[in-house]
Amino acid sequence: GNSVTQMEGPVTLSEEAFLTINCTYTATGYPSLFWYVQYPGEGLQLLLKATKADDKGSNKGFEATYRKETTSFHLEKGSVQVSDSAVYFCALSVNDYKLSFGAGTTVTVRA
Amino acid sequence: NAGVTQTPKFQVLKTGQSMTLQCAQDMNHNSMYWYRQDPGMGLRLIYYSASEGTTDKGEVPNGYNVSRLNKREFSLRLESAAPSQTSVYFCASSEANAGNTIYFGEGSWLTVV
Repeated sequence: GNSVTQMEGPVTLSEEAFLTINCTYTATGYPSLFWYVQYPGEGLQLLLKATKADDKGSNKGFEATYRKETTSFHLEKGSVQVSDSAVYFCALSVNDYKLSFGAGTTVTVRA
Repeated sequence: NAGVTQTPKFQVLKTGQSMTLQCAQDMNHNSMYWYRQDPGMGLRLIYYSASEGTTDKGEVPNGYNVSRLNKREFSLRLESAAPSQTSVYFCASSEANAGNTIYFGEGSWLTVV
């Protein structure tokens, strides 16, 4: 079946630190890959996505590259801010449009 | 720009009571979904509707029913609530193609006592 495994949190960082959240996947077929972000008390918002191998998704200073050879889609940001404190979800969809989510990683950025 | 709107935002139920969560989207999307979010488990799909007039089970459908009332609206019903259904529920919608963005509502916090 299709599944997503992402690094467990919580992750606590200082402002301007480098952030990496690992995400690996198992899928039958060729998935599209997504990172969603959930700010406190809110629903999920799409952060970025990539629909084929070697594509790089980017948004708000975050980047992730679709690596087919390692079945990974790691999220990175070079310099985090307090406003980046949130829960981050890696997700995939294969051939259809239903998303399979990872467990989520809680990130807290301290000033 | 409303997007996906779901009600109620908060609800407390007694075991055995029934209730319906309402969801509406104004983006003319074909597909709609209900997910539940539990700590450490991410989001799990309860039911989805690929298009108006169709509904299908997701990963965790037991204890729930859905109705795709029209293209805009997709409701989730708990016929006899159980404490295990205490969760945050999210409605979502998208165009029915792989790789398309799924848009989420703000969530409904349900507690069953």
